[in-house]
Amino acid sequence: AIQVTQSPSSLSASVGDRVTITCRASQDIRSDLGWYQQKPGKAPKLLIYAASSLQSGVPPRFSGSGSGTDFTLSISSLQPEDFATYYCLQDYNYPLYTFGQGTKVEIK
Amino acid sequence: EVQLLESGGGLVQPGGSLRLSCAVSGFTFTTYAMSWVRQAPGKGLEWVSSMSANGRSTFYADSVKGRFTISRDSSKNTLYLQMNSLRAEDTAVYYCACLVIAVPINYWGPGTLVTVSS
Repeated sequence: AIQVTQSPSSLSASVGDRVTITCRASQDIRSDLGWYQQKPGKAPKLLIYAASSLQSGVPPRFSGSGSGTDFTLSISSLQPEDFATYYCLQDYNYPLYTFGQGTKVEIK
Repeated sequence: EVQLLESGGGLVQPGGSLRLSCAVSGFTFTTYAMSWVRQAPGKGLEWVSSMSANGRSTFYADSVKGRFTISRDSSKNTLYLQMNSLRAEDTAVYYCACLVIAVPINYWGPGTLVTVSS
C-alpha cells in the first residue's frame, strides 16, 4: 500500500504569513494528489487537485506543487479563515486512497 | 445539486453490528467509484472502503478487512457499509464520498457518528 507522510503535524502562524505543508509518498504517484481543508464538524473541502490545479472558487493564495513523491501546499498570505486542518490525499491506485496525517494550522 | 446523505449511525456495543446507508442524488451513481472515509474523534481522515463504478470490485483498508462489507443498490441510488465485529477503535464519524482527484470529483456527505462502547 502507498504510504503518505505529511509534515508538520501542526504549526503556529500569524495572519499574513506564508505557510508551507509537505507530503511525501512512498512511491511515484505522478500528480495524483489533492489537498483538502477541514474545519471542525465539517466535511473536507478540496483546494488543489492533480497536485497543482486550483479548485474552482478557491482563493489564489493557495497553491500546490510537486510530482512523483514530493508535494507542497503553500498559502501565500495566511488569512483568519485559513486556520484549519489540512490533508493531502493520493489516489494513484484509484479507488484506493491514502490520506496524509494532517496539519493543524493555528494562530500564533 | 449533488447530495450525499448518510444514516444509520449510533451507539453499539463492542462485537456488535451496524449498517450505514448513503443516499445519493444529483449525479449518476454508477459513473464513479463510491467510498467510505472515517474520522475518529480528534484524529485524521482514514479511507475505509470503496466500490468500483461498475460495482464488481470492492476494496478495504486492512483495519476493516473481513469485518466490513461495502455494497450498493443502484435502483435506490444508495451505498451501504455493513459493519460487523465492531471495536472501540471503530468509533468515528463515517463519511460517504465520491473522490476522483484528477477530474476533479469531490462529493462528501455530512457524516454519521458511530460510537462503539459498552
